[in-house]
Amino acid sequence: GAGVSQSPSNKVTEKGKDVELRCDPISGHTALYWYRQSLGQGLEFLIYFQGNSAPDKSGLPSDRFSAERTGGSVSTLTIQRTQQEDSAVYLCASSLAGGSYEQYFGPGTRLTVT
Amino acid sequence: AQTVTQSQPEMSVQEAETVTLSCTYDTSESDYYLFWYKQPPSRQMILVIRQEAYKQQNATENRFSVNFQKAAKSFSLKISDSQLGDAAMYFCAYRIIQGAQKLVFGQGTRLTINP
Repeated sequence: GAGVSQSPSNKVTEKGKDVELRCDPISGHTALYWYRQSLGQGLEFLIYFQGNSAPDKSGLPSDRFSAERTGGSVSTLTIQRTQQEDSAVYLCASSLAGGSYEQYFGPGTRLTVT
Repeated sequence: AQTVTQSQPEMSVQEAETVTLSCTYDTSESDYYLFWYKQPPSRQMILVIRQEAYKQQNATENRFSVNFQKAAKSFSLKISDSQLGDAAMYFCAYRIIQGAQKLVFGQGTRLTINP
């Protein structure tokens, strides 16, 4: 079946603009995660959705970052008033519910803020 | 807070040889999972191998095996018979079993395979 998909693959935006990044998880996966990978760095957790529960937003770096998940499926990560330090690859992952299940990653969106 | 440390930013190995990538972690939990992920230039993270902390036996997946030392909080990855397709960034990651399901990643090791 289809894996996790993300769009766009690459996004270049001007400082101060808002951007939306999209993630389509694997069908049937109730858990969805967003991570950020800055240049040459490991992945940093941003936010986690599980079913109808309140999302775990503990990794969001500032109030310019927000995410929503509609209908328990597609998720959108929004960055308002982008800054140059927001430039990174944003990776989405999904999994079945429960701690023993593997997280499957999408190919990511490379965001460049000029 | 849990942390994961990979002390080798870069490693290289001759094709067909064996290489070991190091990882240490810090946690106060007794039950957790440890992972090695591979990230080729395509950016897609691929799970290489997984270890449950309650299992004493080291996990193996074909040419990939781990050396899990729970007391030392060490989790190294051994790649045997290295192949050109093994060239990638390798990330060690940790996750607790209960509660937050997020992965905590190390900084990564870039592995180069020399033909």
